[in-house]
Amino acid sequence: SQTIHQWPATLVQPVGSPLSLECTVEGTSNPNLYWYRQAAGRGLQLLFYSVGIGQISSEVPQNLSASRPQDRQFILSSKKLLLSDSGFYLCAWTPTGKTEAFFGQGTRLTVV
Amino acid sequence: DQQVKQNSPSLSVQEGRISILNCDYTNSMFDYFLWYKKYPAEGPTFLISISSIKDKNEDGRFTVFLNKSAKHLSLHIVPSQPGDSAVYFCAAETGANNLFFGTGTRLTVIP
Repeated sequence: SQTIHQWPATLVQPVGSPLSLECTVEGTSNPNLYWYRQAAGRGLQLLFYSVGIGQISSEVPQNLSASRPQDRQFILSSKKLLLSDSGFYLCAWTPTGKTEAFFGQGTRLTVV
Repeated sequence: DQQVKQNSPSLSVQEGRISILNCDYTNSMFDYFLWYKKYPAEGPTFLISISSIKDKNEDGRFTVFLNKSAKHLSLHIVPSQPGDSAVYFCAAETGANNLFFGTGTRLTVIP
């Protein structure tokens, strides 16, 4: 069966520090991978999606970047965090050609 | 610009009664709609979906209705149970690898 792992679950980082959130999927190949952010009152906002290794599409201009170094690994990064980067970040995947997304447990990021 | 809207941030329903969660959208290109359920500190889990060629889809206690002319969909839960208490997200997609989510509605089912 397929599983998705996302870590860490919670993170407190000072303003200006770097960020690296990792997500891996097991039990499938060539998944579509997504990073979402849930900010208060904003719902789930799509940040990045990837249909293959090295292929990243950005939906919202921001202080974040994403990379897909391996087929089942998706990384969300920032060089310098801002207070406004605080939120709940979710990694998700969909099988190729399918629509239903499967989400990781999420990372609660607090920038102080 | 919020293309998928859930205008009710919260809803309280007595156990055994019907819960109706509403969702409106603005993009006429959306062709597939989904509902997700989310418990605190967990990722959302897929609940039920509907294609734009249908107006109703039923799965056990959950039914989703789609009114394309009104750009409106709703999720009915009958009968509501305390374990249904969660945040429900409506989502829509155009087939371009993007899922657009609403802001969520927190459902509380009172025993």
